[in-house]
Amino acid sequence: ETGVTQSPTHLIKTRGQQVTLRCSSQSGHNTVSWYQQALGQGPQFIFQYYREEENGRGNFPPRFSGLQFPNYSSELNVNALELDDSALYLCASSPRTSGSNEQFFGPGTRLTVL
Amino acid sequence: DQQVKQNSPSLSVQEGRISILNCDYTNSMFDYFLWYKKYPAEGPTFLISISSIKDKNEDGRFTVFLNKSAKHLSLHIVPSQPGDSAVYFCAANPRGGATNKLIFGTGTLLAVQP
Repeated sequence: ETGVTQSPTHLIKTRGQQVTLRCSSQSGHNTVSWYQQALGQGPQFIFQYYREEENGRGNFPPRFSGLQFPNYSSELNVNALELDDSALYLCASSPRTSGSNEQFFGPGTRLTVL
Repeated sequence: DQQVKQNSPSLSVQEGRISILNCDYTNSMFDYFLWYKKYPAEGPTFLISISSIKDKNEDGRFTVFLNKSAKHLSLHIVPSQPGDSAVYFCAANPRGGATNKLIFGTGTLLAVQP
């Protein structure tokens, strides 16, 4: 069974640029969530995707957007990058029926905005 | 507004002794509480969860206690092992809304000394 994978591992961008991060969910998991973890903080929920539609969003501006594909993989897109967007971006997947809300996290993508 | 708080940034414990990690929350509308462990360069790994209708859940060396009147939960690890050294995050799932939305605390770095 393959776990959650993310690409790339690290990324450096400059302010104002756009970035796309990718996530492959664990086999059999149809729900994907994205989190942002700033240094010294806990992960913060960005949004969740289920059946290719956004299904819940945290307190993030519209320049954070996403996609989910028929194979349940997902992308996170961030436009007009700001310095504060520098963080570890985590993808998590789960089966829809996870009663305890357990999610399986990937290793993350470290984004640095200069 | 930090709804889930972990007030101890770090904890050091001797191997074989008990580790107690604490977490406080402010919102009474949480359905589940979860503990995740995170090693450097890896994503968070699910440890144990507890439903808001219970006050204790045990899984091997890990026990989570929930005190709803005090809005407090704790994770007990006994006996502690050097491999338990990691950052531990407390997380809560709000009732309703996105099924995968977790609100995380800021984490506690546990160091188990051999």
